[in-house]
Amino acid sequence: GAGVSQTPSNKVTEKGKYVELRCDPISGHTALYWYRQSLGQGPEFLIYFQGTGAADDSGLPNDRFFAVRPEGSVSTLKIQRTERGDSAVYLCASSLMGGRDTQYFGPGTRLTVL
Amino acid sequence: AQTVTQSQPEMSVQEAETVTLSCTYDTSESDYYLFWYKQPPSRQMILVIRQEAYKQQNATENRFSVNFQKAAKSFSLKISDSQLGDAAMYFCAYNAGNMLTFGGGTRLMVKP
Repeated sequence: GAGVSQTPSNKVTEKGKYVELRCDPISGHTALYWYRQSLGQGPEFLIYFQGTGAADDSGLPNDRFFAVRPEGSVSTLKIQRTERGDSAVYLCASSLMGGRDTQYFGPGTRLTVL
Repeated sequence: AQTVTQSQPEMSVQEAETVTLSCTYDTSESDYYLFWYKQPPSRQMILVIRQEAYKQQNATENRFSVNFQKAAKSFSLKISDSQLGDAAMYFCAYNAGNMLTFGGGTRLMVKP
């Protein structure tokens, strides 16, 4: 079956603009995760959805970051008033039931804020 | 808070040889899972191998095996018969609840 997909692959924006990053998880996976990977580092957790609800958003760095998953499938990560420090690769992952289930990752979206 | 440490920023191995990547972690939990992921230049994280902490037997997947030392909180990855396609960033990760906590990664280079 299809894996996790993310769009766009690359996004270039200007400081202060609003961006949306989309994630389409593996069909049937109830859990969805967003991570951020800065250059030369390991990914860092942002937010976890179980179904439609955000079960853990403790990794969101500030209130400019917000994510939704309205129908329990596709998720959108939204960043307001982007800053140059937001430049990173944003990775999405899904797992069948959450918990310690193996997480399967998408190819990521590289965000560049000029 | 849990931390994961990969002390080798870069490693190099000759094709067909064996290489071991190191990982240590810090946790007060007793029940958790550990993972090794491979990230080629395409950016996509690919699962290499998974180990459940309650299992004493080390996980093995074809040419990939782990040395899991729970008391020492050590989880190293051994790659046997290295191939050119093994060249990538390798990340060790820990999960005791829902989120993955990653180490900083080790870049593996394979020499022909």
